Amino acid sequence: EPEVTQTPSHQVTQMGQEVILRCVPISNHLYFYWYRQILGQKVEFLVSFYNNEISEKSEIFDDQFSVERPDGSNFTLKIRSTKLEDSAMYFCASSSPWDEQFFGPGTRLTVL
Amino acid sequence: GQNIDQPTEMTATEGAIVQINCTYQTSGFNGLFWYQQHAGEAPTFLSYNVLDGLEEKGRFSSFLSRSKGYSYLLLKELQMKDSASYLCAVRDSNYQLIWGAGTKLIIKP
Repeated sequence: EPEVTQTPSHQVTQMGQEVILRCVPISNHLYFYWYRQILGQKVEFLVSFYNNEISEKSEIFDDQFSVERPDGSNFTLKIRSTKLEDSAMYFCASSSPWDEQFFGPGTRLTVL
Repeated sequence: GQNIDQPTEMTATEGAIVQINCTYQTSGFNGLFWYQQHAGEAPTFLSYNVLDGLEEKGRFSSFLSRSKGYSYLLLKELQMKDSASYLCAVRDSNYQLIWGAGTKLIIKP
């Protein structure tokens, strides 16, 4: 069964450093998403991506964040100048237009 | 503003039935989703309602009333592995998923 994959599973970084989180969505899906979940809190929408551009983004998704689809399979989230409060699980998801979103296993980001 | 409310925590007994409620106020409505999330894992899809009524899927059923802004997830014949958080999410007019905070379900033997 096709699945969304994410790498790395755990990323530890120093405050102020840049990190890139990687995702491989399900191959025939057209919509891609990034979510964040701080430990013990709700899932928060960051951004959705369709047709090689951002379709929606939340207030959280400020200039510190960027997304890219560098090739036909990968979908990346870049966080510049990480802060302590960026520590969270980051989930990638993908979907076809009308169906449910399928989530990857997540990347646990720890900012020290 | 957009808001989704669900109870923070519920406790039920193995073998019993539990109903988890969700009420929502969103800008537009394009469907309501229920996801299950075990601790430290990703959400996994359980059910989808876009029309009023009951959708049944094995031990799990989900109900929607759009006029009341209300849904519930019904879990029957509870098993210990059903201990998890259950997330209600509504797709709004921008096709963005708005998430509730989740209901932590504790199953006791």
